[in-house]
Amino acid sequence: IAGITQAPTSQILAAGRRMTLRCTQDMRHNAMYWYRQDLGLGLRLIHYSNTAGTTGKGEVPDGYSVSRANTDDFPLTLASAVPSQTSVYFCASSGGGLADEQFFGPGTRLTVL
Amino acid sequence: GQNIDQPTEMTATEGAIVQINCTYQTSGFNGLFWYQQHAGEAPTFLSYNVLDGLEEKGRFSSFLSRSKGYSYLLLKELQMKDSASYLCASMDSNYQLIWGAGTKLIIKP
Repeated sequence: IAGITQAPTSQILAAGRRMTLRCTQDMRHNAMYWYRQDLGLGLRLIHYSNTAGTTGKGEVPDGYSVSRANTDDFPLTLASAVPSQTSVYFCASSGGGLADEQFFGPGTRLTVL
Repeated sequence: GQNIDQPTEMTATEGAIVQINCTYQTSGFNGLFWYQQHAGEAPTFLSYNVLDGLEEKGRFSSFLSRSKGYSYLLLKELQMKDSASYLCASMDSNYQLIWGAGTKLIIKP
């Protein structure tokens, strides 16, 4: 693989179900991010990780959790999905300096019914 | 509060020049990013400005005025493949990106 991959590509989920969105990068980037993108709104940061073993909350963290056990993987978990979590989710990573560009995965389109 | 403003939609003609403006207000400032996003795809990096002035990169240029909280993206010799959304993002004091809603650029033949 090259770059960032996300799985699944799309998912329809019943409300109340638990769901984990997967994100893997092979660029050895230190920082990783999860965003959601909704129509008419800018990308909004859910959670981030500046380095393996650390995570932080973004602008809209409620209802989501993350872990960063190693450099490559940064899964996002919805403990009990709600319809307002219907969105496109993008994982991103950046390496080197804090102001480096972010590279985005292809996204996961999630629908919660 | 933190805020990024950019026009919702713009239309331009193939071969022409278009300027997409962005004003920002964030807690601290560590640079201004522009990304391109084609429909149904991921954003891809276009430019980064942290100092005042114009940065040119082929057909695309980006300008920053820190004192005015203002940036623009200039696209020259427009091609049909430039039809996309252009996202402006300001990096705040915590090195987090604050994103605008994006400007959808429609190119007409």
